[in-house]
Amino acid sequence: SAVISQKPSRDICQRGTSLTIQCQVDSQVTMMFWYRQQPGQSLTLIATANQGSEATYESGFVIDKFPISRPNLTFSTLTVSNMSPEDSSIYLCSVGTVTEAFFGQGTRLTVV
Amino acid sequence: GEDVEQSLFLSVREGDSSVINCTYTDSSSTYLYWYKQEPGAGLQLLTYIFSNMDMKQDQRLTVLLNKKDKHLSLRIADTQTGDSAIYFCAGGSQGNLIFGKGTKLSVKP
Repeated sequence: SAVISQKPSRDICQRGTSLTIQCQVDSQVTMMFWYRQQPGQSLTLIATANQGSEATYESGFVIDKFPISRPNLTFSTLTVSNMSPEDSSIYLCSVGTVTEAFFGQGTRLTVV
Repeated sequence: GEDVEQSLFLSVREGDSSVINCTYTDSSSTYLYWYKQEPGAGLQLLTYIFSNMDMKQDQRLTVLLNKKDKHLSLRIADTQTGDSAIYFCAGGSQGNLIFGKGTKLSVKP
């Protein structure tokens, strides 16, 4: 299994600001994924991040709002830009093998 | 697109078996997964089943897959208070997953 570390684990941010979330994996992986879990809801895939190419965003998510970097095979960042209270969620990064998908502990974001 | 449905709540007594059910619409999911989320924690992968299997057993956990009815279930034998959590089923492959809304399992002593 993969060990995934996310930073920060939680943050409280002012509306209009941006937060960058870091995701570090203990092994090289081709694909990394960013999910959002809104309060009391399930997880929704934001985007897929492959090293060396631009992230692929799901419907309803755009690069200007959620820019993603993937500089190498063990690291990725997700930025939540120009935040509003509606962005208050848990953001999780995930890595997948052919058979399994593992998640970080998540970043609990509150926008005030 | 894929839709994954779960009942929202399940309450059982300690020592009983719990059965959490899930239905899905997209039969092209290669794997189907069960995750556990405890309060304030991330997602823990409990088990998964390949889409051409009917059953998988792993200690107290039994996964049943009825591909014809697109129905997945997770049975937890001898449920303990530590099993209280939200359980998500998900379908897909290689980390690109569609999740159900989660079933909150409450275990009463």
